[in-house]
Amino acid sequence: GENVEQHPSTLSVQEGDSAVIKCTYSDSASNYFPWYKQELGKGPQLIIDIRSNVGEKKDQRIAVTLNKTAKHFSLHITETQPEDSAVYFCAASGWGGAQKLVFGQGTRLTINP
Amino acid sequence: DSGVTQTPKHLITATGQRVTLRCSPRSGDLSVYWYQQSLDQGLQFLIQYYNGEERAKGNILERFSAQQFPDLHSELNLSSLELGDSALYFCASSVGVTGEETQYFGPGTRLLVL
Repeated sequence: GENVEQHPSTLSVQEGDSAVIKCTYSDSASNYFPWYKQELGKGPQLIIDIRSNVGEKKDQRIAVTLNKTAKHFSLHITETQPEDSAVYFCAASGWGGAQKLVFGQGTRLTINP
Repeated sequence: DSGVTQTPKHLITATGQRVTLRCSPRSGDLSVYWYQQSLDQGLQFLIQYYNGEERAKGNILERFSAQQFPDLHSELNLSSLELGDSALYFCASSVGVTGEETQYFGPGTRLLVL
């Protein structure tokens, strides 16, 4: 079945700097790659997603890139702010693949003022 | 607010007991998913229902069962509870069943088994 590896497990950056989180997946049939942000005591919240027919997607300070050949995708957060501090999860799924979301282990991002 | 509701927020019970977690999906969503989040296992998919029928199964124990009712709300039943079942249980919902749609997560139920 699908396996998603996420790195790093923890990331600390200065406010205003950029943060990058990387994920690799194993199932070449996966077509959908969402990123979730989870704040303490809350459920995961979708922040951006990308489908396999697109190589990059951007939404204000957040961008995701996808390399289907290499089977990896990355989350980029620019101009980080203290409210970006949270745990971030990548996931993969697809009709031809697992048909369910398989999550990475998560990255705890800390923004230092 | 995702529009997905879960009750109760917290649950404390003893080993060997049985509990029921409830989830109401977003208006218009037909699929409901259950996930378990523990410190050492991350977010693990348990089971998916679509319009009342089971569609996909993950790493769900035989002691656990779920169902989706005609009004589309879902319940996750956990029985013969063990200490290791202590975790956060999330429900998510989506419009369809392809696996490529956005899943919206509820706030979760925190289960503590003593």
